[in-house]
Amino acid sequence: DAGVTQSPTHLIKTRGQQVTLRCSPKSGHDTVSWYQQALGQGPQFIFQYYEEEERQRGNFPDRFSGHQFPNYSSELNVNALLLGDSALYLCASSLGWNMNTEAFFGQGTRLTVV
Amino acid sequence: KNEVEQSPQNLTAQEGEFITINCSYSVGISALHWLQQHPGGGIVSLFMLSSGKKKHGRLIATINIQEKHSSLHITASHPRDSAVYICAVKTGNQFYFGTGTSLTVIP
Repeated sequence: DAGVTQSPTHLIKTRGQQVTLRCSPKSGHDTVSWYQQALGQGPQFIFQYYEEEERQRGNFPDRFSGHQFPNYSSELNVNALLLGDSALYLCASSLGWNMNTEAFFGQGTRLTVV
Repeated sequence: KNEVEQSPQNLTAQEGEFITINCSYSVGISALHWLQQHPGGGIVSLFMLSSGKKKHGRLIATINIQEKHSSLHITASHPRDSAVYICAVKTGNQFYFGTGTSLTVIP
């Protein structure tokens, strides 16, 4: 079992560009959540997908959007990148929405905006 | 005020020492996770707790639901335990994270 996999591992983008990050959940998991972790901070919740729909969203602007595919994998898109979007983006997967099940985290994608 | 507070923020210990990291939270939770994050980013889930105590190898995690407090203990610490330890609480479908405790174990 590969666990949660994220791609790419590192990415450098220019301010104003758009970026897409990808996440494959742990086998059998159907719920994917995305988090942004700024340097020296704890992760902050961006949004969560279940059954191909965004079910819950944190305090992030509409520049942050996502998608979940029928195979439960997910993408995080960020438009009009700002320098402040530089962070580690973490994906977590779990089984079931609104269920108290354990979450598994990916290695993250390190995004640097220059 | 953050929903999750951890202490200490930074901790340096000699190899072999007993280590305790504390977590207090202010929201109602369905579960509490202790996570380990090594340099480079990847997060590993160490424990998921909703009550009582769990032990895995040299790691012990406890939670007191009434006091809204959890502790992570590391016995006989080793340099490979050096990492950031993060407390995360699950409320509804969302996690709230502490800012982490950076642990360095010196040989």
